[in-house]
Amino acid sequence: DQQVKQNSPSLSVQEGRISILNCDYTNSMFDYFLWYKKYPAEGPTFLISISSIKDKNEDGRFTVFLNKSAKHLSLHIVPSQPGDSAVYFCAASNQGGSEKLVFGKGMKLTVNP
Amino acid sequence: NAGVMQNPRHLVRRRGQEARLRCSPMKGHSHVYWYRQLPEEGLKFMVYLQKENIIDESGMPKERFSAEFPKEGPSILRIQQVVRGDSAAYFCASSPRTGGAGNQPQHFGDGTRLSIL
Repeated sequence: DQQVKQNSPSLSVQEGRISILNCDYTNSMFDYFLWYKKYPAEGPTFLISISSIKDKNEDGRFTVFLNKSAKHLSLHIVPSQPGDSAVYFCAASNQGGSEKLVFGKGMKLTVNP
Repeated sequence: NAGVMQNPRHLVRRRGQEARLRCSPMKGHSHVYWYRQLPEEGLKFMVYLQKENIIDESGMPKERFSAEFPKEGPSILRIQQVVRGDSAAYFCASSPRTGGAGNQPQHFGDGTRLSIL
């Protein structure tokens, strides 16, 4: 039962262009969403998050958009840089009780110079 | 990923042995979470602990796995009588508090890669 889905396993973009990473979820109880970046042999690094009371959150080159009615969120990276090449995970949680995160399977982003 | 310290980074065990994985949370963090990642998969929640308390162990296998977070010292994930299927990367995360306005993201360590021979 995949509650958080990242349907595209990989994405390749040119340096300087926009990268758009998508994520869908099925559990309407989720109210906090996060994006993590992960390099090989390292742990996930927190990038940006958004609460369900918002529809957009921006931090530098990273913007996350949330569409609650569609149960969809996306991460925009602009401009993309070669150092952004990594696996990106979408995660979700709810505030009631445990704060466990439910992760998608990840998407490998490659930014070509 | 400075802050959350996991050791060892790599652990090799033979079938039937015990594996102990340690996690020291970031300074000031009192909530610890363990996740497991199988190859080509996302991270799967295992257990959530606060000091001396297990809050949620809904992701822990019913047998052979246990976790603790004592008053002093690191959190320990213990796997008894390991089997080949336990081979995975085990990640620990910590956060300062739970829920409410101003959610606090979990910060992860670099993981322990467990290999079962």
